Amino acid sequence: DAGVIQSPRHEVTEMGQEVTLRCKPISGHNSLFWYRQTMMRGLELLIYFNNNVPIDDSGMPEDRFSAKMPNASFSTLKIQPSEPRDSAVYFCASSLEQGASQPQHFGDGTRLSIL
Amino acid sequence: GQQVMQIPQYQHVQEGEDFTTYCNSSTTLSNIQWYKQRPGGHPVFLIQLVKSGEVKKQKRLTFQFGEAKKNSSLHITATQTTDVGTYFCVVRRGSNYKLTFGKGTLLTVNP
Repeated sequence: DAGVIQSPRHEVTEMGQEVTLRCKPISGHNSLFWYRQTMMRGLELLIYFNNNVPIDDSGMPEDRFSAKMPNASFSTLKIQPSEPRDSAVYFCASSLEQGASQPQHFGDGTRLSIL
Repeated sequence: GQQVMQIPQYQHVQEGEDFTTYCNSSTTLSNIQWYKQRPGGHPVFLIQLVKSGEVKKQKRLTFQFGEAKKNSSLHITATQTTDVGTYFCVVRRGSNYKLTFGKGTLLTVNP
């Protein structure tokens, strides 16, 4: 079975550019999560969707970050304009149902470097 | 901010030695999950504990949930080089969907 699929795996771009990260959750999963991981701050939840609806975006750093889930099989996380401090690994995860009783399945992540 | 403490931050052991990481919360938890992340990899779900005092085993791994549901531990018996990675506890409070990751314990194993 296919797991959570993220693209691109690596992204290097100059500050000020727009960055779009993509995620395809596991089929049948109706909860989707975006995380950011850095050495300093660890793993942080950015936003959570349930049935394609954003439930909580309180972890989104600032207005430069936006996330969408136009359908059950696709989500994007966009940074515009990007800054060097946005450099991190961004993970997408999905789970079977709303709530925190189900395990989250993570994608391989996107390693983002902003120069 | 995060209200879950995970200790130690780092642990280096010789292959064959035991290893334990602890997760402590100031408030009662609904459940706790443990994940493992290999270097360069992504977090992978290991187990979930729900009941007070619960103990679960997976081969050489033993997971415990405290009686007060405020702390948990992961113990690895006779570590192997394949155990290398960061172990995270992930907590949920009440009916809140939101999971909070601990900072993790990085385990390195000297062969």
